[in-house]
Amino acid sequence: AQSVTQLDSQVPVFEEAPVELRCNYSSSVSVYLFWYVQYPNQGLQLLLKYLSGSTLVKGINGFEAEFNKSQTSFHLRKPSVHISDTAEYFCAVSGVQGAQKLVFGQGTRLTINP
Amino acid sequence: DAGITQSPRHKVTETGTPVTLRCHQTENHRYMYWYRQDPGHGLRLIHYSYGVKDTDKGEVSDGYSVSRSKTEDFLLTLESATSSQTSVYFCATRVPGDYGYTFGSGTRLTVV
Repeated sequence: AQSVTQLDSQVPVFEEAPVELRCNYSSSVSVYLFWYVQYPNQGLQLLLKYLSGSTLVKGINGFEAEFNKSQTSFHLRKPSVHISDTAEYFCAVSGVQGAQKLVFGQGTRLTINP
Repeated sequence: DAGITQSPRHKVTETGTPVTLRCHQTENHRYMYWYRQDPGHGLRLIHYSYGVKDTDKGEVSDGYSVSRSKTEDFLLTLESATSSQTSVYFCATRVPGDYGYTFGSGTRLTVV
C-alpha cells in the first residue's frame, strides 16, 4: 500500500515570488507520482507526472517537480507565481501494476497575495 | 472534463434515504473510480471498476455500493444516506497507456 503526506496545509506567498509545495510518499513497491491542481469549484487537472527516466519533470503553467527516491519526495516548484495560481494542489501516488489506484495527499492550499 | 459527465451536480437528501450518483464516460476506458473529497483528507477512494461487472472496494467503502453494467456507466449508491456522507464525489477514468487520470466535475451531496 502507498501513502502520501503533504507537509503544508496552507502556503501563502506574494505574487512573483518562488514557491515550493512539499510532498513525501511511502511505498513498498515502485510508484508513479502525480501533482494535480484544483481551482475553486472545479474538478482536478493534471499538472505533471513522473513515470520513469529524468527525475526533473516539467508540467503545465510553469510548474516542475523533482523525484528524489532516496528521500521519497516529490516536491513541486514554480520560480514565479501569479494570482491565477491560487488553488489547491494535490500530490498523488499509484503503484505501477494492476489497478494503479491513486492515493492522494491531504492537499495544500496555495494563496497568492498581490 | 469533456469525456466524463457526473449527475446530478448538486443534491440535497434526507438521512436514511437511498441516493445514486451517476458517472458517464464517452472514452471507452476500462478503469473507473469513485472518490470522495473532504477538507483535510484530500480525495479518498470509495470503489473502483476494472471492467463491466468487475468492481472492488477502496479505502472508504462502508455504506456505499457500485454497479457497472455497461462500459460507459459507473453508478455509486448510498444505501441509506448519513450526514457523514456529506461530501463532494468525483468520478475518474484512467487513460490507458498514459497513466494519468481524467476527473469529472464532481457531485456535491448534502445529507440533512
